[in-house]
Amino acid sequence: DTEVTQTPKHLVMGMTNKKSLKCEQHMGHRAMYWYKQKAKKPPELMFVYSYEKLSINESVPSRFSPECPNSSLLNLHLHALQPEDSALYLCASSPRQDYYEQYFGPGTRLTVT
Amino acid sequence: AQSVTQLDSQVPVFEEAPVELRCNYSSSVSVYLFWYVQYPNQGLQLLLKYLSGSTLVESINGFEAEFNKSQTSFHLRKPSVHISDTAEYFCAVSDQGDYKLSFGAGTTVTVRA
Repeated sequence: DTEVTQTPKHLVMGMTNKKSLKCEQHMGHRAMYWYKQKAKKPPELMFVYSYEKLSINESVPSRFSPECPNSSLLNLHLHALQPEDSALYLCASSPRQDYYEQYFGPGTRLTVT
Repeated sequence: AQSVTQLDSQVPVFEEAPVELRCNYSSSVSVYLFWYVQYPNQGLQLLLKYLSGSTLVESINGFEAEFNKSQTSFHLRKPSVHISDTAEYFCAVSDQGDYKLSFGAGTTVTVRA
C-alpha cells in the first residue's frame, strides 16, 4: 500500500460547527504533515508529527487542532472556523521527519459558510 | 529555508509541442529538488526528484528535469505534451536534513488541441 488516504473528500461546515478531517497511511511512515492550500497557491505547511508527537506548529490558529492517535492515523479537528479557512487541506507522510520525500493524499476540500 | 521562484505563472501550449517550466532556488547549499504535479481537483503527485548523482532525472511519463548547481536551477521539460498534461506544476526544494519543503508559486500548464 503506497498511498495516503483522506476523508471526507468534501466538507461544508458552518462557523459554529465542530468537524474533523482524517488522514491514513499504511506505509510505515513515522512523519505526517498537514498542509493548507488556497486556490492557485502552493501548499502551506501547518503541522508536522514525528513518531506520533507534534514536532512543528507553523503558528496555526487554535481553531485547528491536530491529533495523531497512532502511527498510521492523523486527524485535524476543526472548531469555530472562519470563511477564509475555506481551502484544500492536504495530508502528507514521509518515512521520518528529515526524510527528503513526502507522499501526499488527495486532500479534503473544505468550505466554511 | 529556501526561496523558490517559478518564472512562469501560466504556460499555454499546443498538443505535441515541447514545454519547459523554469524553477530557480535561492541557496547553493546541498539540496533536494522535486517537481510535483496537481491535476484539477486532486492532491499533489510527485513527478520526479533529484537527490544526488546524475543531474538529469526522468519521469515515467516523458518529463525530465536537469539540476544545474551553478545556476541554482531545476527546469522541467517535456518534448511533446498531451492534453492530459494540463495541470498545475510545483517546484519544491528542501535543504538536506531539513523537514521543510519550500514550494514555488506554481505554473499552470494548459495544453490545447
